[in-house]
Amino acid sequence: AQSVTQLDSQVPVFEEAPVELRCNYSSSVSVYLFWYVQYPNQGLQLLLKYLSGSTLVESINGFEAEFNKSQTSFHLRKPSVHISDTAEYFCAVSEGTDKLIFGTGTRLQVFP
Amino acid sequence: DAGITQSPRHKVTETGTPVTLRCHQTENHRYMYWYRQDPGHGLRLIHYSYGVKDTDKGEVSDGYSVSRSKTEDFLLTLESATSSQTSVYFCAISETGNSYNSPLHFGNGTRLTVT
Repeated sequence: AQSVTQLDSQVPVFEEAPVELRCNYSSSVSVYLFWYVQYPNQGLQLLLKYLSGSTLVESINGFEAEFNKSQTSFHLRKPSVHISDTAEYFCAVSEGTDKLIFGTGTRLQVFP
Repeated sequence: DAGITQSPRHKVTETGTPVTLRCHQTENHRYMYWYRQDPGHGLRLIHYSYGVKDTDKGEVSDGYSVSRSKTEDFLLTLESATSSQTSVYFCAISETGNSYNSPLHFGNGTRLTVT
């Protein structure tokens, strides 16, 4: 069965510093991978996704994630964070047309 | 933003009482989902629907029932609320239910407290 592990429940970082949010998954078949972001008091929004092709995917607000099949990872990175990036980030995986399985989330706290 | 409205946004209820949460969408999407969000557990699927009157269980369906009599409305009922059902509940919709070409869009959630 597929599962998703987000090892870091909280990541504190200063503004303009780089950040990496880790995500590992377990699956024996091809998967689709997603990062969702949840701002305070809101629902989740799709940040970026890997379906096929290039293993490096980017979002419109400077985040990127790299699919690493050998490491079964899909870590999220940003070279320079802003205060507005403070949110909770969820990694999710699906096998083919199956339903999404979410990780437990990582709370990113950006300090001035 | 996808047209998803959850009501109520906040509710406090007592143990043993029935509670119904509503999700209304204006996107005419076929698939609708109910998730609960709890610290340390992330989001867990309760029930989902793939059409009017077509529903199925998710991973944490015990104690919950759902109904979908119209495309736009998906109701979640806690038949007899317990303290373990204190949570934030999210409705989500998807056009095809296939994560490859139809990502989930979420409502803003309902915070339920069972005392």
